[in-house]
Amino acid sequence: QVQLVQSGAEVSQPGASVKFSCQASGYIFTYYYIHWVRQAPGQGLEWMASINPSGGSTSYSQNFRGRVSVTRETSTSTVNMELTSLRSEDTAIYYCARGAVAGYLDYWGQGTLVTVSS
Amino acid sequence: QSVLSQPPSVSGAPGQTVTITCTGSNSNIGADYDVHWYQHLPGTAPKLLIYANVNRPSGVPDRFSGSKSGTSASLAITGLQADDEAHYYCQSYDSSLSGSGVFGGGTKLTVL
Repeated sequence: QVQLVQSGAEVSQPGASVKFSCQASGYIFTYYYIHWVRQAPGQGLEWMASINPSGGSTSYSQNFRGRVSVTRETSTSTVNMELTSLRSEDTAIYYCARGAVAGYLDYWGQGTLVTVSS
Repeated sequence: QSVLSQPPSVSGAPGQTVTITCTGSNSNIGADYDVHWYQHLPGTAPKLLIYANVNRPSGVPDRFSGSKSGTSASLAITGLQADDEAHYYCQSYDSSLSGSGVFGGGTKLTVL
């Protein structure tokens, strides 16, 4: 069965960077995009980025361009996200999700809580 | 401000029908990008409800249906049940944002 398992919660300071991961299983990793979506407290869902695991090409939301980097490791079917220059507004649950060809997100990870606090 | 606009809240009594709209523009929904819908319950990951405007994944009841016309899309829920109470989000892509994904602001459905 398709599973996306995300790494555990992180606490970081303002101005620092944070890196977290999403490991896929149950399907051919290179056949589907992986997207990142976040939800800040009391806010809606926000699309952040996507990666094509086949070639590694990425797409980033303009809201995060320059602060976010998404990479993949095909040997472990893992996608990593790094967010830099953290601010308190980056406190959120970060989800990875599998993206089908038509662009919908059919399987989701359990979420990684990132807390930015001094 | 979200690129896709949804009403912040809708409500209905059990058994009734509610419709949630998602209004976009000529650079997203109107540019022929498909619209997808998700149900989000607190403390859980979002769940795909409708994909490619009108299709239901396996296991989603036929009480949920989607439609798209012009620069808007809609999600209809018939025969409301208490466990339908959740947040609902539309999602698409936008050519003016280099093809980035976009979500609606979300709609909280309250079952009275």
